[in-house]
Amino acid sequence: GEDVEQSLFLSVREGDSSVINCTYTDSSSTYLYWYKQEPGAGLQLLTYIFSNMDMKQDQRLTVLLNKKDKHLSLRIADTQTGDSAIYFCAATRSGNTPLVFGKGTRLSVIA
Amino acid sequence: GAGVSQTPSNKVTEKGKYVELRCDPISGHTALYWYRQSLGQGPEFLIYFQGTGAADDSGLPNDRFFAVRPEGSVSTLKIQRTERGDSAVYLCASSLSGTNTEAFFGQGTRLTVV
Repeated sequence: GEDVEQSLFLSVREGDSSVINCTYTDSSSTYLYWYKQEPGAGLQLLTYIFSNMDMKQDQRLTVLLNKKDKHLSLRIADTQTGDSAIYFCAATRSGNTPLVFGKGTRLSVIA
Repeated sequence: GAGVSQTPSNKVTEKGKYVELRCDPISGHTALYWYRQSLGQGPEFLIYFQGTGAADDSGLPNDRFFAVRPEGSVSTLKIQRTERGDSAVYLCASSLSGTNTEAFFGQGTRLTVV
């Protein structure tokens, strides 16, 4: 089955860019997602990308997909203290099959 | 309601006891998912309902776990003979049509088995 891997921790200074990386194993994964989890809050879908795309930009968020290497990244421009959270990468074979999540990357933003 | 509601928010139970966790999806959402998130891990899929029926229950770890959605709205996750390894946050999500991009997650129920 699918396996999704992420680095566990990332620390950046406020105003810098953050890059969170993710790799997945199933080349049949066609939908790739980034979720944000803050303490006491539910998982929030930040953005997603289809496997026929290599980049998607949404305001401060940029997703890059290297399908050949099965590598996904999330770049957050001008990182703010409110961006401190755990970020999960997830993959699915289709838009309505269950999500397979990585373990999450804890982003700490230093003021 | 405004969002997906899960009750209770916290549950402490003794090993061997039976527990029920409730999920109230967003009104009108036909799809409902249960995930389990252990400490330091990402959420893991348990079961997916489309309407009243379980469309995919391949994630249920064993026969101690069971979930129902009798009227296609509220769902209850039932765990029999709880074990300490069942301690986790149980997350529920609902979606209007079943697509992940339209799914909203509740805040979860933290289950602690002592």
